[in-house]
Amino acid sequence: AQSVAQPEDQVNVAEGNPLTVKCTYSVSGNPYLFWYVQYPNRGLQFLLKYITGDNLVKGSYGFEAEFNKSQTSFHLKKPSALVSDSALYFCAVRDLGGNKLVFGAGTILRVKS
Amino acid sequence: DTGVSQDPRHKITKRGQNVTFRCDPISEHNRLYWYRQTLGQGPEFLTYFQNEAQLEKSRLLSDRFSAERPKGSFSTLEIQRTEQGDSAMYLCASSLASGTGKEDTQYFGPGTRLTVL
Repeated sequence: AQSVAQPEDQVNVAEGNPLTVKCTYSVSGNPYLFWYVQYPNRGLQFLLKYITGDNLVKGSYGFEAEFNKSQTSFHLKKPSALVSDSALYFCAVRDLGGNKLVFGAGTILRVKS
Repeated sequence: DTGVSQDPRHKITKRGQNVTFRCDPISEHNRLYWYRQTLGQGPEFLTYFQNEAQLEKSRLLSDRFSAERPKGSFSTLEIQRTEQGDSAMYLCASSLASGTGKEDTQYFGPGTRLTVL
């Protein structure tokens, strides 16, 4: 069965500094990986996805993610954090047996000015 | 292009009552998904439709839960005889299937927060 781990419950970073939110996955076969962001009392907003091709995927709001097959990781990155980036971030993998997404537990990102 | 909408946004009910939630997907999206999210957790899959056909149901979906998508457009999720453990955020998502469907992106609605007293 597919699974995703987000090893950090919370990440703290100063505004203007680079940020990384970690994600590792376990799948059989080629992974389809996604990042979503959730603001308080809101649904999930799609940021980016990896399907195939270039290991560096660029997404919305200046975010990017690096797919590393050997380390089974798909870390979310941004070169310069904004206070408005503070939110809950979810990594997800597509279930290969169907079409559902399997989500990690989420990582709270706090960006301080 | 309007996004996924859900109604109501909040629902408070007493244990044992029935509740029904509605989801309107992005127009022309042929797939619709329901997820449940409890505090401190990521969303968990409940069920999904392709057009009007319900193609997959999670084991989380007890007999008290039923979902429909009668004309392949909006969907409803009904919970009968609610229990306190049903308190959660219920999220709906939609996507436009292409190719194998594995690549398509699911777009989420704002969710319906259910509180069972």
